[in-house]
Amino acid sequence: NAGVMQNPRHLVRRRGQEARLRCSPMKGHSHVYWYRQLPEEGLKFMVYLQKENIIDESGMPKERFSAEFPKEGPSILRIQQVVRGDSAAYFCASSRDRNLNTGELFFGEGSRLTVL
Amino acid sequence: GQQLNQSPQSMFIQEGEDVSMNCTSSSIFNTWLWYKQDPGEGPVLLIALYKAGELTSNGRLTAQFGITRKDSFLNISASIPSDVGIYFCAGLNSNSGYALNFGKGTSLLVTP
Repeated sequence: NAGVMQNPRHLVRRRGQEARLRCSPMKGHSHVYWYRQLPEEGLKFMVYLQKENIIDESGMPKERFSAEFPKEGPSILRIQQVVRGDSAAYFCASSRDRNLNTGELFFGEGSRLTVL
Repeated sequence: GQQLNQSPQSMFIQEGEDVSMNCTSSSIFNTWLWYKQDPGEGPVLLIALYKAGELTSNGRLTAQFGITRKDSFLNISASIPSDVGIYFCAGLNSNSGYALNFGKGTSLLVTP
């Protein structure tokens, strides 16, 4: 999957706990996107970040979810007070440029969150 | 996001057969992408299409960007067992933002 690194690959949380998912983009990529995939579904856009900036968070739930991409270190998707409906695979993708022209994103292998 | 309808939902074919799947949208896109996802993995880009009417091949795969800009198809010729997986179409309208809109996928099973 072209070098986008996500961890953890699997995460189990109880209701009410916090989940933190990390994503290191491909080398040389400064644009990061988070997508969520429910079982038997396609991927749904959540948020697009460039270093230190949130560019588009139109797909993020208004509460409990936040994302950051600091100057140093990986991008973090944080889910507070998780509920069972948050159980899903969360995919990170990166691109060298804004994907407006090429549309080409390289995806990581995903982090699978299970909420008990 | 915009609604994408992908069909068929699943296909069960014999090795050597050709496969065709398609995707339609309720609104226009200026980019169509086709991805393959294996179980437990992330999607891998197969073909990218940027122009209405464009026909692009990648080995045994051929995809077309419909002239209405609301549809695309993917063909796989002479299928082999490693073609098994879920195939997703995705569309982007850069005038509407940065989000790729994905179909629900076509699950392909190939028997030897």
